[in-house]
Amino acid sequence: EAQVTQNPRYLITVTGKKLTVTCSQNMNHEYMSWYRQDPGLGLRQIYYSMNVEVTDKGDVPEGYKVSRKEKRNFPLILESPSPNQTSLYFCASSLTGGVSYEQYFGPGTRLTVT
Amino acid sequence: AQKITQTQPGMFVQEKEAVTLDCTYDTSDQSYGLFWYKQPSSGEMIFLIYQGSYDEQNATEGRYSLNFQKARKSANLVISASQLGDSAMYFCAMREVNAGGTSYGKLTFGQGTILTVHP
Repeated sequence: EAQVTQNPRYLITVTGKKLTVTCSQNMNHEYMSWYRQDPGLGLRQIYYSMNVEVTDKGDVPEGYKVSRKEKRNFPLILESPSPNQTSLYFCASSLTGGVSYEQYFGPGTRLTVT
Repeated sequence: AQKITQTQPGMFVQEKEAVTLDCTYDTSDQSYGLFWYKQPSSGEMIFLIYQGSYDEQNATEGRYSLNFQKARKSANLVISASQLGDSAMYFCAMREVNAGGTSYGKLTFGQGTILTVHP
């Protein structure tokens, strides 16, 4: 089954404690992206990757890091989480090259930073 | 910069009736893609329908159709014969195109509309 998986699905942590949210896709997609969803703001892009070892900032990259060492994986790293990073996070993937390619979303990770 | 606006924070509809969810967009690109996603209370993002900027026909997928008015820069979602299971958040999104005419893949989202279907 074609899918994007994220782990963990739920996470409560404390300010400053480094964490990683994993993302993996099995569709051989070149493009992967992280979004955060906040009430009234829709989804905003954090980072994206066009292929292995190629990553770039999205609209709200501050406080986040990513890496793309393998095509299927695109982890999101919060080196020192703060309460304003409490949010619902989505990983997504798609083919590149055309505007019509649908993005496939993971199930989401609900993060609370206290 | 691209921008998507959904002006209806919440909408109500009676079961079996049709409902239109509004979406307007702003872009200087000639080639772009418009998407609608559904997010039920469980949180996942479900792709509903796609409309390309060069498509002359309005997109349809089952009970979903997209009322695309390019000159007005609007891409409203029409849900016919509403069902209780249609109660969810709905997002309109646009896909970016780079200078070379291919797509980076980034989706720019609107704020979302919460649809409630009454029995």
